[in-house]
Order: sequence, then C-alpha cells, then structure tokens
Amino acid sequence: GENVEQHPSTLSVQEGDSAVIKCTYSDSASNYFPWYKQELGKRPQLIIDIRSNVGEKKDQRIAVTLNKTAKHFSLHITETQPEDSAVYFCAVHSTSGGSYIPTFGRGTSLIVHP
Amino acid sequence: DGGITQSPKYLFRKEGQNVTLSCEQNLNHDAMYWYRQDPGQGLRLIYYSQIVNDFQKGDIAEGYSVSREKKESFPLTVTSAQKNPTAFYLCASSPGSYTGELFFGEGSRLTVL
Repeated sequence: GENVEQHPSTLSVQEGDSAVIKCTYSDSASNYFPWYKQELGKRPQLIIDIRSNVGEKKDQRIAVTLNKTAKHFSLHITETQPEDSAVYFCAVHSTSGGSYIPTFGRGTSLIVHP
Repeated sequence: DGGITQSPKYLFRKEGQNVTLSCEQNLNHDAMYWYRQDPGQGLRLIYYSQIVNDFQKGDIAEGYSVSREKKESFPLTVTSAQKNPTAFYLCASSPGSYTGELFFGEGSRLTVL
C-alpha cells in the first residue's frame, strides 16, 4: 500500500512568519494530493488540494507545491495568524483494486504564537 | 442542511462488549470511509465502501465490522476482538471512487472502561 511520511510533527512559529509542511509518498501512480486542517475538537476540513498534472496551486495565504519526480508535496502558509493554529494532514490518493483510496500522513501540529 | 452525521459523540463501553457507531450522510455520495484517529498516528483507514452492498478492508480492519445496506448509511461495529478500541473514530464520504475531497463527520469518541 501507499506510504505517506509527513514532517515535521510539530511546528512552532511567530505570528507573521511562514510555515512549511512536507509530505512524501511512495506510489508514483498517485494522482490527488489534498491538505486538511483540523482545529481542536473539530472535524478535518479541506483547505487546498492539487492534482498530478499541476506543479503549484495558490489560494490567498496558502499554497501547495508538487514534485512528482521526487514524490513529495508541501503546504506553504505565509503571514501566519493565531487562527492558523491547528493540526494539518496531508493525504495521497493512490490506486487499490481499481479505486483511488486516500492515505493520510500522521499530521503536523502548527502553533502560531501571537 | 446537507452533511454527514455521526452518533453518538461520546460512548463508553465495558470490555467484552460490542458497540456500533452510526454514520449517516445526505450528500448523495457513493463512497464512505471509516478512519481511526490516535494521537501522533494520523488517520488510519478501517473500512471503506464505494457502492451499496460492497465494502473493503482498510489498513486496520481487524476487530471491526461494517455494513452498507443503504447508500446513506455506513455503521461501524467495534467488536470485543479489537484489542485497543479506545480512540476517536471519524466517518467520511466522497462523491465517488474518483479522486476528490472527503467530507468528514464530527467524530465519535469511544472509551473502553
């Protein structure tokens, strides 16, 4: 099955700094790479995603970059704010018996200090 | 108001008892998933279903069972065979087997006493 590694497990930054979280995967046929944000006590929610035919996608202060050759993708958050504090999960959709099944990384706890 | 609903939110059970967690969606999604969330472990796939009356084991299916008799419902039973059942369980759905966003329920926290 797919193996997804996510780093770092914890990231502490000052308000206004940038934050970068990286995920690597093993299945070269994987084709969809979403990022989810889970605030304390709440459900995970999609914040940005990228498909395998695109190298970069941006949405205001967040961006995702994908390097298919190296099999890694990263979440970039600029001008961080305290409300960005949460656990972030990457996911990779890879094939299993003809269907695409999402596999998640272990999560990164982002702490933004005011 | 469309969405995915899990119940109960909190559940306590004694060792040796089976317990069933409910997951209902009114999004008309074909695919449904059950994940287990433990601190530092991320989301691990227990079972998934792409269509009614069909489901597949995920990475950690041992000690769990599911059914998919209706499109909108995908209940999970945690059996007494599950060695370490205390965890946070998340149900999710997506429009189909193609790659796309997962919509999550609010989760069920199971504690075994």
